[in-house]
Amino acid sequence: QVQVVESGGGVVQPGGSLRLSCAASGFIFSSYGMHWVRQAPGKGLEWVAVIWPDGGTIYYAGSVEGRFTISRDNSKNTLQLQMNSLRAEDTAMYYCARGEHNRGTFDSWGQGTQVTVSS
Amino acid sequence: DIVMTQTPLSSPVTLGQPASISCRSSQSLVHSDGNTYLSWLQQRPGQPPRLLIYKISNRFSGVPDRFSGSGAGTDFTLTISRVEAEDVGVYYCMQATQFPHTFGQGTKLEIK
Repeated sequence: QVQVVESGGGVVQPGGSLRLSCAASGFIFSSYGMHWVRQAPGKGLEWVAVIWPDGGTIYYAGSVEGRFTISRDNSKNTLQLQMNSLRAEDTAMYYCARGEHNRGTFDSWGQGTQVTVSS
Repeated sequence: DIVMTQTPLSSPVTLGQPASISCRSSQSLVHSDGNTYLSWLQQRPGQPPRLLIYKISNRFSGVPDRFSGSGAGTDFTLTISRVEAEDVGVYYCMQATQFPHTFGQGTKLEIK
C-alpha cells in the first residue's frame, strides 16, 4: 500500500540547520509531485513546498523561501527538505504528502517528524 | 495568496445528527483547466490529516458516504449526514488551485 515515512526531526538552536527525509513505498514515486506541509503546536496546517515528479519545478511558501530547499532522489524513492537559518516559528510537525495531480490534492500523508527550534 | 475562511471554528454535535462546515475562499477556485481544486481533510486527535473529499464533491477511497461536499466558485460546504463518535477531530478545507496552497483555520467537531 501507499506509504510515506518521515525522519530527521529533532531539536536545533535558532540559526541552525536540519535535513528531513521522506521514504516512499507502494507507488511509482517518480510519477508524483511531493509536498511538505507543517503544523505548529496547537495550530493549523501550513503548506511549505512542492517538487514536481521530475524535480524540474519547485515552489515554496513565502515564509521559508530562501531558507529551505526541497529535493528528491527518484532512484531511491526519497524526498528531502533541507532547512537552514531555522527560527523559533519553524517549530512544527513536518508532514510529507503525496500530490495527486488529477485529484488536485494530497492523497497520502506520513505520520510526521517533529522539529523544535529552541535555545 | 488565497485566504480560506471556515465557519464555525467549533461545532458541538449530537451523535446521529447532521453537521455542516462552511469554507469561503478570497477568490474563485476555478482553475484555468476548468477544475475546482477544493478538498476537505480530517485530522483525528494525535493523527496526521486524512483526505476525505477532493474537487469539491468527490469522496476519496474508503470514506463513508455520510460525508459529502458541495459548492462552487468561492463557497463550499462539508456535510456529515449523521455524526458518529469516530468523526471527532478537526476538519480543514484546502485549495490547490494556486500556489501557495492554503488551508482554512480548521473546524473542531466535538460531541455534545
